[in-house]
Amino acid sequence: DAGVIQSPRHEVTEMGQEVTLRCKPISGHNSLFWYRQTMMRGLELLIYFNNNVPIDDSGMPEDRFSAKMPNASFSTLKIQPSEPRDSAVYFCASTPRVGYYGYTFGSGTRLTVV
Amino acid sequence: DQQVKQNSPSLSVQEGRISILNCDYTNSMFDYFLWYKKYPAEGPTFLISISSIKDKNEDGRFTVFLNKSAKHLSLHIVPSQPGDSAVYFCAASAGRGNTPLVFGKGTRLSVIA
Repeated sequence: DAGVIQSPRHEVTEMGQEVTLRCKPISGHNSLFWYRQTMMRGLELLIYFNNNVPIDDSGMPEDRFSAKMPNASFSTLKIQPSEPRDSAVYFCASTPRVGYYGYTFGSGTRLTVV
Repeated sequence: DQQVKQNSPSLSVQEGRISILNCDYTNSMFDYFLWYKKYPAEGPTFLISISSIKDKNEDGRFTVFLNKSAKHLSLHIVPSQPGDSAVYFCAASAGRGNTPLVFGKGTRLSVIA
């Protein structure tokens, strides 16, 4: 099993540009989570999906952030327009089901907005 | 407001000694607690967990203690090894598994040989 795959590993973009982060969960995992890691706030939940349906997006900081899960094997997190304060490491994680806490995290995408 | 707090950003311990990482929480509805370990350039990985019906869980060198009245948990690593050097995240969940994990800010552990 290749684990949770995130791309790109690193992204440097200019303020105002659109950024799309991608995630492929583990096959058979029905729950997918997007977290953001910063020094100030640690790991904070942005949004999570269950069976491809968004369940809770209350952690999405602003309308500039959006996430989709068009099928069981792919999810995207989009920031449009990006701002320097969005610079962080973004993690995707998946689990077989809600309530199973052995989350498998991807390696993350380090986003830098200049 | 942070519901899960790790007040020590970093900790240094000599190899072979005990490492104690602490975590406090504010939400009395939390009923399941976990520790995750993170190496640089990797995602966090699950380390050990404890349910609120227990006060201790042990797995090899790692033991987690839960004090519900104090809303406090701790991770003990004995003996500490250089390979334990990583960032450790405390996490919690409420609602008997129906809510996602809430993480703390993490504590960076350095085990010095």
